[in-house]
Amino acid sequence: KAGVTQTPRYLIKTRGQQVTLSCSPISGHRSVSWYQQTPGQGLQFLFEYFSETQRNKGNFPGRFSGRQFSNSRSEMNVSTLELGDSALYLCASAQQGARETQYFGPGTRLLVL
Amino acid sequence: GESVGLHLPTLSVQEGDNSIINCAYSNSASDYFIWYKQESGKGPQFIIDIRSNMDKRQGQRVTVLLNKTVKHLSLQIAATQPGDSAVYFCAENPNQGGKLIFGQGTELSVKP
Repeated sequence: KAGVTQTPRYLIKTRGQQVTLSCSPISGHRSVSWYQQTPGQGLQFLFEYFSETQRNKGNFPGRFSGRQFSNSRSEMNVSTLELGDSALYLCASAQQGARETQYFGPGTRLLVL
Repeated sequence: GESVGLHLPTLSVQEGDNSIINCAYSNSASDYFIWYKQESGKGPQFIIDIRSNMDKRQGQRVTVLLNKTVKHLSLQIAATQPGDSAVYFCAENPNQGGKLIFGQGTELSVKP
């Protein structure tokens, strides 16, 4: 099976802009979770989507949002970008019934200038 | 706040030696734990997992030990190879579906 894919792999934005990142899960996986990875804070959970519904949410401001489509693909959006949003954004997918066993994609590296 | 902490941020071992990476978790409600390996420029790669009803689980060259009494997790890598050089993360699932809480990570360096 193909692994989790994320697009784009690299992105440069300026403060105040918004950005949309995409994630395609492993075939058959219906749960998608998003994480932010920074050198200072490590890997932090953003949110999880399962069957097109947000199931869990981390401690991030409302500027961070996401959605999931009927084919399980997911997008996350960050509005009004801040310099501190520069990070590696990782998507992970999991099977129904084992949503904690997550497999990660390569991530999208976002740089905010 | 929620945290899973690692005792050693860096670990340097000789090729062929065994490596032990430690992790302390804070949430006694957590019932599932995973170890990931992350190489530079890549996403975390699943290594091995363990549920709270087990004390030990073995994979290929890796063993995970879980001590629920002291909330401690360890990853043992046998006959460490240069390809094992990476950052290793432990993660816990506090019985909240698809939410994982990650530790800080330990960088493993294998000297040939």
